[in-house]
Amino acid sequence: GDSVTQMEGPVTLSEEAFLTINCTYTATGYPSLFWYVQYPGEGLQLLLKATKADDKGSNKGFEATYRKETTSFHLEKGSVQVSDSAVYFCALRGSNSGYALNFGKGTSLLVTP
Amino acid sequence: SAVISQKPSRDICQRGTSLTIQCQVDSQVTMMFWYRQQPGQSLTLIATANQGSEATYESGFVIDKFPISRPNLTFSTLTVSNMSPEDSSIYLCSVEGTATLYGYTFGSGTRLTVV
Repeated sequence: GDSVTQMEGPVTLSEEAFLTINCTYTATGYPSLFWYVQYPGEGLQLLLKATKADDKGSNKGFEATYRKETTSFHLEKGSVQVSDSAVYFCALRGSNSGYALNFGKGTSLLVTP
Repeated sequence: SAVISQKPSRDICQRGTSLTIQCQVDSQVTMMFWYRQQPGQSLTLIATANQGSEATYESGFVIDKFPISRPNLTFSTLTVSNMSPEDSSIYLCSVEGTATLYGYTFGSGTRLTVV
């Protein structure tokens, strides 16, 4: 069935460092891909999404490109801030999962001043 | 996108009791989803709730333990029955937005502790 694999955390970066969080997926057909963020003590928020191959989702300085050839949707940000400290979840909406989202395990990011 | 009101936000319950979690959406939606997030873990889908039909449960989740109601297109409840400490988790409801394609929205979650 459909699945999402994302890099293990926690990830610790200094402010203004470059961020990459890897996400790969397994799915039949043409899934839609998402990144969600969960700030400490808060609920899940959609960060960005891409619904077809080669689409690039972007929001708040974060970007991710839907790469069908490598089945990947890596999250990147050029210069992280302390306020980006959160848990990031890669998720997939595919034909095998009905209409629900299938989540990766989450990657905790801590940005230090 | 849809706005979801979920309550209670947290509760501490005795083992063997039951807790009902409510989700109210500000617009009509066909499907609502219930997830569980165990401490330090990702989200696991419990069931999908359609209005007017039985909920569809994922492997490992059964109706007797997690009964779901979906009386109309804006409301759903999840009950955690006969609770044990292993049920301590965050429970979330979610809907797929109609205005924004694939714009899934999540409730703020119910943090349940079973003692």
